[in-house]
Amino acid sequence: AQSVTQLDSQVPVFEEAPVELRCNYSSSVSVYLFWYVQYPNQGLQLLLKYLSGSTLVKGINGFEAEFNKSQTSFHLRKPSVHISDTAEYFCAVSESGATNKLIFGTGTLLAVQP
Amino acid sequence: KAGVTQTPRYLIKTRGQQVTLSCSPISGHRSVSWYQQTPGQGLQFLFEYFSETQRNKGNFPGRFSGRQFSNSRSEMNVSTLELGDSALYLCASSLRTNPDTQYFGPGTRLTVL
Repeated sequence: AQSVTQLDSQVPVFEEAPVELRCNYSSSVSVYLFWYVQYPNQGLQLLLKYLSGSTLVKGINGFEAEFNKSQTSFHLRKPSVHISDTAEYFCAVSESGATNKLIFGTGTLLAVQP
Repeated sequence: KAGVTQTPRYLIKTRGQQVTLSCSPISGHRSVSWYQQTPGQGLQFLFEYFSETQRNKGNFPGRFSGRQFSNSRSEMNVSTLELGDSALYLCASSLRTNPDTQYFGPGTRLTVL
């Protein structure tokens, strides 16, 4: 069965500092990987996705992630964060196949401080 | 292009009642998925519909059901509400099935008293 682990429930960081949000997954088949962001009282917005090809994926708002198959990881990074990046970030996985079912991690709250 | 819309945005019900939530996907999208978000269980997949057919279902009791209409709009129904059904219910739409980007609506906040 698939699973997604986000070890850090909360990551405090100062404005303009770099940040990395960790995500590890387990699956016995090929997977597709996603990062979503959720602002308070809103739905989820896609930041980036890995389907195939280059393992370094660039997304919106200056975020990027690297797929590492050997370590089953898909960590999210941003070189310089802003106050407006404060939000909950979710890593998700879906199996390659004929379904859109996403398995989500428990989320990481990115708290950017001035 | 309008995004995914969900109605109502907020709902208060009492135990034992039933509730119907509605989701209108982005125009042209044929796949609609539903998720439940709670502080304790996080985001959990409920079911997915594509062209009026349920393609996948999560591990929820039979009290949770859904359907999709020919215009791709979808509804989910929860019967005999329990306190634990209090959650944010999110709907997502996409053009086709996996792999495809899913666009989420703002959610319906259901409170069961």
